[in-house]
Amino acid sequence: GAGVSQSPSNKVTEKGKDVELRCDPISGHTALYWYRQSLGQGLEFLIYFQGNSAPDKSGLPSDRFSAERTGGSVSTLTIQRTQQEDSAVYLCASSFGTEPYEQYFGPGTRLTVT
Amino acid sequence: QKEVEQNSGPLSVPEGAIASLNCTYSDRGSQSFFWYRQYSGKSPELIMFIYSNGDKEDGRFTAQLNKASQYVSLLIRDSQPSDSATYLCAVRPMGRRALTFGSGTRLQVQP
Repeated sequence: GAGVSQSPSNKVTEKGKDVELRCDPISGHTALYWYRQSLGQGLEFLIYFQGNSAPDKSGLPSDRFSAERTGGSVSTLTIQRTQQEDSAVYLCASSFGTEPYEQYFGPGTRLTVT
Repeated sequence: QKEVEQNSGPLSVPEGAIASLNCTYSDRGSQSFFWYRQYSGKSPELIMFIYSNGDKEDGRFTAQLNKASQYVSLLIRDSQPSDSATYLCAVRPMGRRALTFGSGTRLQVQP
C-alpha cells in the first residue's frame, strides 16, 4: 500500500518568508508525527497528533512553528519568518493509535533557508 | 547524559560477518524500542521493534533488550554491503507517543 507522502520534496526560501510543508499519512493510521533532522544531527521531535485529541506540541522550538491536521488525515507544518537555523529535513511519520505505535516515515522535505 | 546514546562509528565489518550495534537509554520507564536504518539522503526505515526483555528475531536481524541494564542491541547476521547505512536506535518514553532517537551508528560492510 501507499506509504507516507510529503510535499514538496525540496524547498528553498529566503530568510523571513513563511513556508508550508505537507504530510499525507498512511491510510488507517490515526497518529501523525513531525520530526526534523539537521545536518549531522539526530531526529528531533516537533509535534504529535492523535485522532481528535489535543496535539502534543512540546517539541516545537519556537512560536514561529505551528501545525494543523485537517479531518484527521493530512497535516501541514507552517514555519513563519524562517531563519537560517530552520534549514533541515522535515520528516513526517504515522502510526496506528495502539501499542507499540511503530512509526513509518515519509521521504521528508529538505528545507533550505538562504 | 543523552537520553539515547549510540556509538557514532563507523563500525566496519567484513561481508558475511555479524554486525553488533548497541544503544543505551536513560529513561528507566521507557516502554518500546525501535531500530531504524537510514541510507544517506533517505528517510529512516523501520527494521524492527522490541518491548519485552530478551531476543526478537526477524530474518537476519535480532534485537536484544535488557531493561535492567537499559540496553538495546541489534545484531545483523551475514552482513551484506547493502546493509551499509546509519542505524538509529529509538526509544518511546513512558507516557509519550513520540520517539527519542539516538544519533545513529554508521555501519560499513566491506565486500
